[in-house]
Amino acid sequence: KAGVTQTPRYLIKTRGQQVTLSCSPISGHRSVSWYQQTPGQGLQFLFEYFSETQRNKGNFPGRFSGRQFSNSRSEMNVSTLELGDSALYLCASSFGGKKNIQYFGAGTRLSVL
Amino acid sequence: EDQVTQSPEALRLQEGESSSLNCSYTVSGLRGLFWYRQDPGKGPEFLFTLYSAGEEKEKERLKATLTKKESFLHITAPKPEDSATYLCAVQPLSGAGSYQLTFGKGTKLSVIP
Repeated sequence: KAGVTQTPRYLIKTRGQQVTLSCSPISGHRSVSWYQQTPGQGLQFLFEYFSETQRNKGNFPGRFSGRQFSNSRSEMNVSTLELGDSALYLCASSFGGKKNIQYFGAGTRLSVL
Repeated sequence: EDQVTQSPEALRLQEGESSSLNCSYTVSGLRGLFWYRQDPGKGPEFLFTLYSAGEEKEKERLKATLTKKESFLHITAPKPEDSATYLCAVQPLSGAGSYQLTFGKGTKLSVIP
């Protein structure tokens, strides 16, 4: 069974640009969550989608947005990139119930120059 | 606000030297506590989930325990391949954040041959 797939694995952008990251969940999983990981802050929750609806959102500016498609695949967009957005962006999928385990992808390493 | 504190930040062990990692948490009602392992350049890998105080789970050289305020990850006779960052996360019982995980900053374990 394939795991969570994130593309691309690495990205280099410059300040002011925008970026879109993609996540394909484990087959059958309907929930996708996004996290930002930095050395200083650790893993921080961005948002969670279930059946194309955002159920929960973390404390990030509006430049961070996401969406989920009918096949449960999800995308995350960051507009007007800042140097501080450099991080590992992780996607996790689960069946979506409250006791479900989240399984993570390998992440997308974003560097903003 | 949910909080998770892990200690120590880093731990060096000789191969075969058993020890424990600590995860202290504050949450308004705990639905689940999760342990993940993360290797450099990879996403977190699920290890255990614990749901109620007194619960214990084991996998190979690892054993996780849970009380009402903290969890321990006991590592018995570790091997160099156990070297990784171990992450603890909590999921609240209810409220807007009940589908998200709040992570600690992790314990970086190094096992020396």
